[in-house]
Amino acid sequence: SQTIHQWPATLVQPVGSPLSLECTVEGTSNPNLYWYRQAAGRGLQLLFYSVGIGQISSEVPQNLSASRPQDRQFILSSKKLLLSDSGFYLCAWREFGLVGETQYFGPGTRLLVL
Amino acid sequence: KNQVEQSPQSLIILEGKNCTLQCNYTVSPFSNLRWYKQDTGRGPVSLTIMTFSENTKSNGRYTATLDADTKQSSLHITASQLSDSASYICVVSAGFGNEKLTFGTGTRLTIIP
Repeated sequence: SQTIHQWPATLVQPVGSPLSLECTVEGTSNPNLYWYRQAAGRGLQLLFYSVGIGQISSEVPQNLSASRPQDRQFILSSKKLLLSDSGFYLCAWREFGLVGETQYFGPGTRLLVL
Repeated sequence: KNQVEQSPQSLIILEGKNCTLQCNYTVSPFSNLRWYKQDTGRGPVSLTIMTFSENTKSNGRYTATLDADTKQSSLHITASQLSDSASYICVVSAGFGNEKLTFGTGTRLTIIP
């Protein structure tokens, strides 16, 4: 079965510090991978998605970046965090089935920028 | 503009009671609609998925309905349990293979003993 991991689970960082959040998937190959941010009381916002190694598509302009150095590894980064970067970050992968695609989410990383 | 609206924003019910959550969408073209359950501090977990040809789908005590004509979906929870306390998110996919999903903001459900 497929499993998706994210770490760290919780992170408190000062403004201006760098960020690196990691996501790995097990049990599947060449998955489509996604980074979402969920702000309090708001829906999930798609940040980046990747259809393969080294292929990154950005959905919203921001001071975040993403990389996919390996097939099942997806990294979210920032050189300098802003207060507005606080939120709950979710990694997801997509499975295609008979009734269309379903996204499976990781456990999330709670980021607080102070 | 594709949108998904959920109601109510929050709901509190007694354990053992039933409840129904609503989802209205304006997503085109329509591919499928999913309901997710998200426990506090955790990632969303898929409950049901329906295409336009399906009008009901059950998963245990959860039953989702879909009316593709009126672009409405509902999630009915029967005999609620304390563990049903969570946010329930409606997600609509616009076209097979489209990377962009449209998420509702969710309904926060609290079950009290």
